[in-house]
Amino acid sequence: QQQVKQSPQSLIVQKGGISIINCAYENTAFDYFPWYQQFPGKGPALLIAIRPDVSEKKEGRFTISFNKSAKQFSLHIMDSQPGDSATYFCAARSNFGNEKLTFGTGTRLTIIP
Amino acid sequence: EPEVTQTPSHQVTQMGQEVILRCVPISNHLYFYWYRQILGQKVEFLVSFYNNEISEKSEIFDDQFSVERPDGSNFTLKIRSTKLEDSAMYFCASSAVSYNEQFFGPGTRLTVL
Repeated sequence: QQQVKQSPQSLIVQKGGISIINCAYENTAFDYFPWYQQFPGKGPALLIAIRPDVSEKKEGRFTISFNKSAKQFSLHIMDSQPGDSATYFCAARSNFGNEKLTFGTGTRLTIIP
Repeated sequence: EPEVTQTPSHQVTQMGQEVILRCVPISNHLYFYWYRQILGQKVEFLVSFYNNEISEKSEIFDDQFSVERPDGSNFTLKIRSTKLEDSAMYFCASSAVSYNEQFFGPGTRLTVL
């Protein structure tokens, strides 16, 4: 019940296209859903995050869509660029007594020219 | 921009040896975390630390692991007797307040031979 399932495992998108990564969770106590971007040899860096009181959050080319009833959330990268090539992790956190982030399995995104 | 730093970047050790991984969290942060990432796998929570004590630990964080904040700036993870399966990237993270964004360091790659 603590898992966060992420798909796809890898994704190849053409430059200028839309990259979509999906995550699903079971634990209804999760109330904070961040997306992290990780480049090789670096630590995860927060990209964008959402709380379940809104269905969508947009920051520049990055949008999180959140479906509370389906317990799913997704990251959309518009106008994908080669510099977006990285591994993306969704995560979730509960506010009941702990602060640990539970990460998805990651998606390796490659943007091709 | 303030950042979490970690040393060393790469540590090679023999099975059964003790290792200490060091982290300097962002200076005004009060909450500290260790996560690990086995090569090609997801990031996993190990332990959270606040007010000089462990606030939560995962099942991975057994008696071989310990954490300490020996002074006002460092936060360390000690593995008493390393095993081959401890080989992973270890990330330190910190946050300013409870349930706020966690900032990750660049990681220490631990290789146990």
